[in-house]
Amino acid sequence: NAGVTQTPKFQVLKTGQSMTLQCAQDMNHNSMYWYRQDPGMGLRLIYYSASEGTTDKGEVPNGYNVSRLNKREFSLRLESAAPSQTSVYFCASSSRDRGSYEQYFGPGTRLTVT
Amino acid sequence: DQQVKQNSPSLSVQEGRISILNCDYTNSMFDYFLWYKKYPAEGPTFLISISSIKDKNEDGRFTVFLNKSAKHLSLHIVPSQPGDSAVYFCAADTNAGKSTFGDGTTLTVKP
Repeated sequence: NAGVTQTPKFQVLKTGQSMTLQCAQDMNHNSMYWYRQDPGMGLRLIYYSASEGTTDKGEVPNGYNVSRLNKREFSLRLESAAPSQTSVYFCASSSRDRGSYEQYFGPGTRLTVT
Repeated sequence: DQQVKQNSPSLSVQEGRISILNCDYTNSMFDYFLWYKKYPAEGPTFLISISSIKDKNEDGRFTVFLNKSAKHLSLHIVPSQPGDSAVYFCAADTNAGKSTFGDGTTLTVKP
């Protein structure tokens, strides 16, 4: 099992460019999440998907869109990148079955917007 | 308004001693609490959790204590090892489908 995979690992964008961060999990989890982590701060939730076909905003959704393509894949899109979106982005998944709330994280995507 | 706070950005302990990491929360609706460990350039990994119906949960060298009346939880690592050096995040969940994370505490265990 690969767990949670993210592509790309690194990306540099110019202001105004767009890109999509890809995430896939092979654990048959219902719930998937996108977080960003800025230096010295914790993980802030951007969007999450409780099940295939549903998405909800998290704490910091502005400037982002998501797609839950199927049960395995959850992508994050930046339509017009801004320097404030320079961050490390983590995707996570969780089964949330039988009271199990732990999340499994991918290795992260380090994004720099110049 | 930060609902989950880790007031100590860093902690340094000697190998073999106890490490105590603290976390406070403000939302009384939180009913499940988790600790994650993060190494540089990696994603966080789940460490240990506790339900609000319990006040203690142990897993090997790691024990989490929950004091609901004080809205406080702590993670004890005994004995601490150099490999435990990492950033530790506290997280809280309301069964609404998402967790709220603290800003993390960087633990350094000195040989």
